[in-house]
Amino acid sequence: AQTVTQSQPEMSVQEAETVTLSCTYDTSESDYYLFWYKQPPSRQMILVIRQEAYKQQNATENRFSVNFQKAAKSFSLKISDSQLGDAAMYFCAYRNYGGSQGNLIFGKGTKLSVKP
Amino acid sequence: DVKVTQSSRYLVKRTGEKVFLECVQDMDHENMFWYRQDPGLGLRLIYFSYDVKMKEKGDIPEGYSVSREKKERFSLILESASTNQTSMYLCASSYGWGQGSEQYFGPGTRLTVT
Repeated sequence: AQTVTQSQPEMSVQEAETVTLSCTYDTSESDYYLFWYKQPPSRQMILVIRQEAYKQQNATENRFSVNFQKAAKSFSLKISDSQLGDAAMYFCAYRNYGGSQGNLIFGKGTKLSVKP
Repeated sequence: DVKVTQSSRYLVKRTGEKVFLECVQDMDHENMFWYRQDPGLGLRLIYFSYDVKMKEKGDIPEGYSVSREKKERFSLILESASTNQTSMYLCASSYGWGQGSEQYFGPGTRLTVT
């Protein structure tokens, strides 16, 4: 069975600085998707960024980028120029490619605080 | 924008009560999901549905059932609520399993069973 591990329960960053959240996963599949979701306090969870395993190029969305290391089964999220609105729980998630088993498997989350 | 709504933000029920949590999505998504979120445990899948009247168990289905009579609505049922079911419940929906199948989440229902 696939597993997702986020080893940092809490992280803190100064406003305008850069922070990296770690995620590792375990799977025997070669095709899959990886996601980072953000859950702000008392607000809905939203997708931050997505990576397809067959793509070697790391995904980027504005200030958010990932470092995808397939061989190492590592998928870290880098937030550049951190803003107060980035404070949230961040969940790393894995999904197999297609089929009825294509459900999301989540890590336990990392709580990110942003200091002004 | 995709909208996923849940019938209640906060709910307080007594042990042994039958509890219904409702979820509605407005984007004609085929797949709908119910998760439970607990501190330190992340999100765990309870049940999901990939079509009307179809359902599959997730990782923690015990004590729960679901109903999907219409494509847009997915209900989670606690037949006899217990205190260990006190939790945040999140509903999500997605279109298919392909590249575009991001899961969209509702705001959550915080259920307290006393």
